[in-house]
Amino acid sequence: GAGVSQTPSNKVTEKGKYVELRCDPISGHTALYWYRQSLGQGPEFLIYFQGTGAADDSGLPNDRFFAVRPEGSVSTLKIQRTERGDSAVYLCASSSSGGRNEQFFGPGTRLTVL
Amino acid sequence: GESVGLHLPTLSVQEGDNSIINCAYSNSASDYFIWYKQESGKGPQFIIDIRSNMDKRQGQRVTVLLNKTVKHLSLQIAATQPGDSAVYFCAENSQASGTYKYIFGTGTRLKVLA
Repeated sequence: GAGVSQTPSNKVTEKGKYVELRCDPISGHTALYWYRQSLGQGPEFLIYFQGTGAADDSGLPNDRFFAVRPEGSVSTLKIQRTERGDSAVYLCASSSSGGRNEQFFGPGTRLTVL
Repeated sequence: GESVGLHLPTLSVQEGDNSIINCAYSNSASDYFIWYKQESGKGPQFIIDIRSNMDKRQGQRVTVLLNKTVKHLSLQIAATQPGDSAVYFCAENSQASGTYKYIFGTGTRLKVLA
């Protein structure tokens, strides 16, 4: 595709529900990043994949958050038992081979937990 | 889309003037820095990067200055245009950390006045 795409663009859920957020990276990009951005803040790193494996998941805030990338392309961020504090924009980025190559960001998914 | 940040420091400049956006970082081991531009409803977009073995790097209408002594970097935009209005973030990475996770600053909103 032309760029990184994320679906849905907006997600409203109730406290305690489970949500999945999807990221389609640029074709051929081996590295994929997830960030969370709250109002008035910069993006906060969550997890970084190189291929199918999580190279660094140190930013995941707790065990309610999990991400997968089973075929080294599309990734899904999964949040269990959502809390109001999970409300934020979730950004995905991909780069051609990780490292210090340029990251291309998607438009984000705005998650609202009521 | 909704504004990225409602409580960000704001820099207002007249169209045609030069803009200087500042960023302080805290990790003395950081050796790679990136400036991003984020427009409302979009993901961050790469502007320019600099490695710690440099103190200045120029791009098209932009210059990044790095002062490692005081852990400060700045982004200078020449002849600021209305299309430059956005939120600007610096991000840092430390190769010594063994990971390619990037730490973002809180951002500065740039408003270009006609």
